[in-house]
Amino acid sequence: GAGVSQSPSNKVTEKGKDVELRCDPISGHTALYWYRQSLGQGLEFLIYFQGNSAPDKSGLPSDRFSAERTGGSVSTLTIQRTQQEDSAVYLCASSSRDRGNYEQYFGPGTRLTVT
Amino acid sequence: AQSVTQLGSHVSVSEGALVLLRCNYSSSVPPYLFWYVQYPNQGLQLLLKYTSAATLVKGINGFEAEFKKSETSFHLTKPSAHMSDAAEYFCAVSDAYSGGYQKVTFGIGTKLQVIP
Repeated sequence: GAGVSQSPSNKVTEKGKDVELRCDPISGHTALYWYRQSLGQGLEFLIYFQGNSAPDKSGLPSDRFSAERTGGSVSTLTIQRTQQEDSAVYLCASSSRDRGNYEQYFGPGTRLTVT
Repeated sequence: AQSVTQLGSHVSVSEGALVLLRCNYSSSVPPYLFWYVQYPNQGLQLLLKYTSAATLVKGINGFEAEFKKSETSFHLTKPSAHMSDAAEYFCAVSDAYSGGYQKVTFGIGTKLQVIP
């Protein structure tokens, strides 16, 4: 079946502009994660959604970052007033909450460049 | 709190040589451990996982890893490197008791270069 998809694949924006990044998880996966991958920094957890529960926003680096998940499926990560340090690859992952299944399935990522 | 340390951000091996990528973890509860691989311009793909069953775990593409509790290690190995193994490898740990939600902490990654 279809995997996790993300759009756009690349985004170049000017400092101070807002951007929206989209993630379509695997159908039926109730859990959705956003990560940021910066050069030499590994993967940084940003936010987690699980069904109708309140999201875990503990990884969001500042109040310029927000995310929503509509209808328990598609998610949008919004970065307001972008800064150059926001340049990174933003990865989305989804997983099933079935007991014993611990694999996260990753999308190809959105490469964000802030000029 | 859980954490992962990957020793060596870059590793080079000759084609046909042994691949050894090191990972040490810290966890306050019995951990779930993972190795993911990332090829250029792609997302991460699961190589293998340890979930408290056999301590020697076999994954895809001939990779395997051994969970050693006494050493808090989960090193990734492959007997003979192939050119197609060139990629970035991430070790990850999960505290499986976080309310049913799997918060995964990733290492910084190790880039594997295979020299012909």
